[in-house]
Amino acid sequence: KAGVTQTPRYLIKTRGQQVTLSCSPISGHRSVSWYQQTPGQGLQFLFEYFSETQRNKGNFPGRFSGRQFSNSRSEMNVSTLELGDSALYLCASSLSTYNEKLFFGSGTQLSVL
Amino acid sequence: AQSVTQLGSHVSVSEGALVLLRCNYSSSVPPYLFWYVQYPNQGLQLLLKYTSAATLVKGINGFEAEFKKSETSFHLTKPSAHMSDAAEYFCAVTRGGSQGNLIFGKGTKLSVKP
Repeated sequence: KAGVTQTPRYLIKTRGQQVTLSCSPISGHRSVSWYQQTPGQGLQFLFEYFSETQRNKGNFPGRFSGRQFSNSRSEMNVSTLELGDSALYLCASSLSTYNEKLFFGSGTQLSVL
Repeated sequence: AQSVTQLGSHVSVSEGALVLLRCNYSSSVPPYLFWYVQYPNQGLQLLLKYTSAATLVKGINGFEAEFKKSETSFHLTKPSAHMSDAAEYFCAVTRGGSQGNLIFGKGTKLSVKP
């Protein structure tokens, strides 16, 4: 069974641009979560989706948004990029939201210049 | 509100020595606690989790952790370190039971010397 797939693996953008990151969960998994990882702040929760509905949202500005499609694939979008948005963005999937093991992708490394 | 604190951003041990990575938590409700490992250029992998069953939790790769409510701790141990254990380790707690919504510690980078 294929793991969690995140595309692209690396991305370079400039300030003010917007970016869309994609996550394909493990087949059969209906829950997808997103995390931002930076050397300074560590791992921070962005959002969690289950069956196309956002279940939880972290403490990030409105420039960060996400969605989940009917096939459980998820995208996150960051508009008006800032230098501080440079980070590794990790996606994780699970069968459901409670008491289920999270499986993480390898992440998308975003660099904002 | 839930939070976790990992003591020591870097830990170095010799191959064959005991590994001890420390994690203390703060939670207003009975916590669900986790340890994840991250190898270079990879995502996170679950090592073990505590969900209020047994206080001593055994995980993969010979790791285990003990939940101590009186000390609000959930330290990770392995009796004998292997070179392949070199990685970064994260302690985490759920916010409200949902495993998708984790609060992570800052991480501890483990180095293993030959």
